[in-house]
Amino acid sequence: DTEVTQTPKHLVMGMTNKKSLKCEQHMGHRAMYWYKQKAKKPPELMFVYSYEKLSINESVPSRFSPECPNSSLLNLHLHALQPEDSALYLCASSQDHGSGANVLTFGAGSRLTVL
Amino acid sequence: AQKITQTQPGMFVQEKEAVTLDCTYDTSDPSYGLFWYKQPSSGEMIFLIYQGSYDQQNATEGRYSLNFQKARKSANLVISASQLGDSAMYFCAMRERTGFQKLVFGTGTRLLVSP
Repeated sequence: DTEVTQTPKHLVMGMTNKKSLKCEQHMGHRAMYWYKQKAKKPPELMFVYSYEKLSINESVPSRFSPECPNSSLLNLHLHALQPEDSALYLCASSQDHGSGANVLTFGAGSRLTVL
Repeated sequence: AQKITQTQPGMFVQEKEAVTLDCTYDTSDPSYGLFWYKQPSSGEMIFLIYQGSYDQQNATEGRYSLNFQKARKSANLVISASQLGDSAMYFCAMRERTGFQKLVFGTGTRLLVSP
C-alpha cells in the first residue's frame, strides 16, 4: 500500500468546471510536491511546499492553484482547464533537507481528462 | 542547469537474465544525488535505488545495483535475474544540492521482460 494517498484516481471535467485533487501523507514529511506527467513523458515538477509554505512554483498557469492546509495534506485546485491539461498528476512527499537521499515517495496519481 | 539523458526508449530481456538501463547526467554542482524509479502501468512511481555523488561504493538494493562512473557522468541501473513483474517504465532522476527540492527526471526506458 502506498503511503501517499491521492484522490480521486480518475477525474473527468469540462473546461468550465472547478474541481480539486487531494493528497495525504502520514509519514511526518515536511515537503510535498505536485508533478504533472503527460502520456509517454517524464514527470515535470509543478509546485513544492516546504513546511506548509510554497517554496517552488515552476511557472505554472494560474488555473492550477495549490494549497497546503497542514503538513499532511496537499490540494490542487483546478479551474478553467484546457484539454491539453489532461495528464496524470502525481503527488509526492519527502523529508525537507538537502543531505542524504531525501527520497520522494509518490502517490498512485490522479488521472485527469479535460473535455 | 541539470540534465538527465536516457538513450534507450525500450529494452527487451528474457526472464532470469540481467539487463542494464543507461543513464548519463550533466551538472556543475559537485554535490548531487542520482535516483532510479520504476513506474508500472498503474502509474505510481516506485523508488528503487539512490547514489550520492560522494559515495565511494556503488549502491545495491536486492536485485538492483547502480553502476556509478563519476568521471563519465553515468549512473546505469543493473537489474539481475529479471522477473515478469519488472516490466515497466524506468526513470533516472537527479537532484543537485543547491536545488535539493527539484528532482528532475530523464525521458525513461520501457523494459519488457519476456518468459
